[in-house]
Amino acid sequence: EIVLTQSPGTLSLSPGESATLSCRASQSVSNSQLGWYQQKPGQAPRLLIYGAFSRATGIPDRFGGSGSGTDFTLTISRLEPEDFAVYYCQQYDSSPWTFGQGTKVEIK
Amino acid sequence: EVQLLESGGRLVQTGGSLRLSCAASGFTFSSYAMAWVRQAPGKGLEWVSGISGSGGWSDNADSVKGRFTISRDNSKITLYLQMNSLRAEDTAVYYCAKMFYSAPGTRGGMDVWGQGTTVTVSS
Repeated sequence: EIVLTQSPGTLSLSPGESATLSCRASQSVSNSQLGWYQQKPGQAPRLLIYGAFSRATGIPDRFGGSGSGTDFTLTISRLEPEDFAVYYCQQYDSSPWTFGQGTKVEIK
Repeated sequence: EVQLLESGGRLVQTGGSLRLSCAASGFTFSSYAMAWVRQAPGKGLEWVSGISGSGGWSDNADSVKGRFTISRDNSKITLYLQMNSLRAEDTAVYYCAKMFYSAPGTRGGMDVWGQGTTVTVSS
């Protein structure tokens, strides 16, 4: 099983600032089959990034993904009020399709 | 409109059984792998089970192996999760989700999610 470790657990930032979220895998994720999701309270998760760096349909370009192998990053430039939420990475390279434990981006 | 609608969640006693359903619409259901993902109160997302479009492949998380079974009926455009020997730690919101393909044979992530159905296991 591929274990995903996200850091930091919580990120306290102000609107307009940039956020950098990390996701580290216990073994290599081949073909960059890794995605990032955003979840707001009381809502289902929403796919932001797939294939490590491709934005899903309708996702603004202030969201960017990068990385390969075991180290992946989600960058949110110019945080908007609606971006404060919990973010999860998930690998779907091999079953079980595991999630990281999440990073909460909160308003400072 | 692409949509997933879960049902079947309720309060059930420890050791009991429950079957969740997820009705799909707006896409060619049989062409896509599907999954169940759960979220315990105040906790993160946990992938529970996945199944291929044909139903020929399926897998479960270790935490539910031997107790939960994922299945699908492509003629009814519905995904199921049979949950047996339920424990308190199975209490969660259960989401069904569709796996899309960014290229032939290359999974792209879960692009459509239902609103979730709540399972509460209590003695």
